[in-house]
Parts: sequence; structure tokens; C-alpha cells
Amino acid sequence: AQSVAQPEDQVNVAEGNPLTVKCTYSVSGNPYLFWYVQYPNRGLQFLLKYITGDNLVKGSYGFEAEFNKSQTSFHLKKPSALVSDSALYFCAVRDDGATNKLIFGTGTLLAVQP
Amino acid sequence: DADVTQTPRNRITKTGKRIMLECSQTKGHDRMYWYRQDPGLGLRLIYYSFDVKDINKGEISDGYSVSRQAQAKFSLSLESAIPNQTALYFCATRLSNTGELFFGEGSRLTVL
Repeated sequence: AQSVAQPEDQVNVAEGNPLTVKCTYSVSGNPYLFWYVQYPNRGLQFLLKYITGDNLVKGSYGFEAEFNKSQTSFHLKKPSALVSDSALYFCAVRDDGATNKLIFGTGTLLAVQP
Repeated sequence: DADVTQTPRNRITKTGKRIMLECSQTKGHDRMYWYRQDPGLGLRLIYYSFDVKDINKGEISDGYSVSRQAQAKFSLSLESAIPNQTALYFCATRLSNTGELFFGEGSRLTVL
């Protein structure tokens, strides 16, 4: 069965430093991977996705993610963190079955200190 | 106006009551979903629908039912609410099977 794992419940980073939020996946076929962000009291917002092509995917708000097939990872990155990036981040993978529904990780809380 | 609108945004109810959460969308997407979010568990799929005549159970459908009244409307019902259904509920839409989900703002339900 398809799944994603976010090994860190929380990531702390100082403003201006680079940030990484980790995600690993398990799929039986080609992976379709997504990152979402959730700000307090809001719904999830799409950041970026990997379907095929370049391993480095660029998304909204200056975020990018690197697809690594050998390590089955899709880590979210940003070169310079902002306090406003503090939020809950979810990785998701598309199910390979007939429904192609998205399966979400448990989320990682990113806290950026000023 | 939001593309995906959920009502109510907050609801407190008592055990045994019937509750309906409503979702409407202006994106014109055929695919609609209901997810439940619990701390530490991420989002879990309750039900999904690919069109008005197509309703499918997700991974945690017990205790819930849905109705797809029109392409733009997808409502979630709890026939007899119980405390462990206290959670944040999200409706989402999707254009295609490779596309991203578009989420509503969520409906926070508390069952006492």
C-alpha cells in the first residue's frame, strides 16, 4: 500500500537560515508527490507537486522540493526561512489504485524563530 | 469568495444528535472529498465522489454518510454523533487524478 512518512513532528529553525522538512514515501509504481501547508485556523494550501521530470520542483512562497528516487524521499526546502513560514506542513502521495486518492502524512510543525 | 466553502465553520453538539456539514464549490471540479484531521494523525479520507452518481467510502467511513446533491455540492452527515467524532473536517475538490486538491477552510466539530 502507498504511504508517506514525515519523521519529524516539529522542526525549529532561526529566521534567515535554510529549512528542510522531511518526507519519505512508499509506492508500488511511479510516485506522484505533493506538499501542502496549513496556517492556523485555515484549510490546506497546495505548495508544489512532483509528477515527472526534473527532480527539483519549485513551488509557492519560495519553497522547493527535491525528489530522490534512490532514497524514496521528497524533502521540502527553502533557502532562507521567514517567521511567516511557521505552519503545519503535509506531504502526500497519490494512491496507485483506481481512485488515485491522496494519502497524507501526519504533518510537521515548522517553527521559525525571529 | 472562496472557491470551496464549508458551513458551518464551528459547531458544538451533543452525543446522539444528527449533524450535517455542507460543502459547495465554484471550481467546476467533478471530484469531491471529505477528510477528517486529528492531531498527530494527519488527514484521513472519509468519503469521496467522482460525480453526482458516484459515491465511495474512504478509510474511515463508519458513522458517516454523504450526499452529492449536485456537481457543486457534497454534504457529510453524522447520523448520531459521538465524542470521538470531535475533529476538524475538510472538504476538498480536484480536477483530475494527477491534480492537486483544493481545500475548504474547515469545519470544527465538537461532540460533547
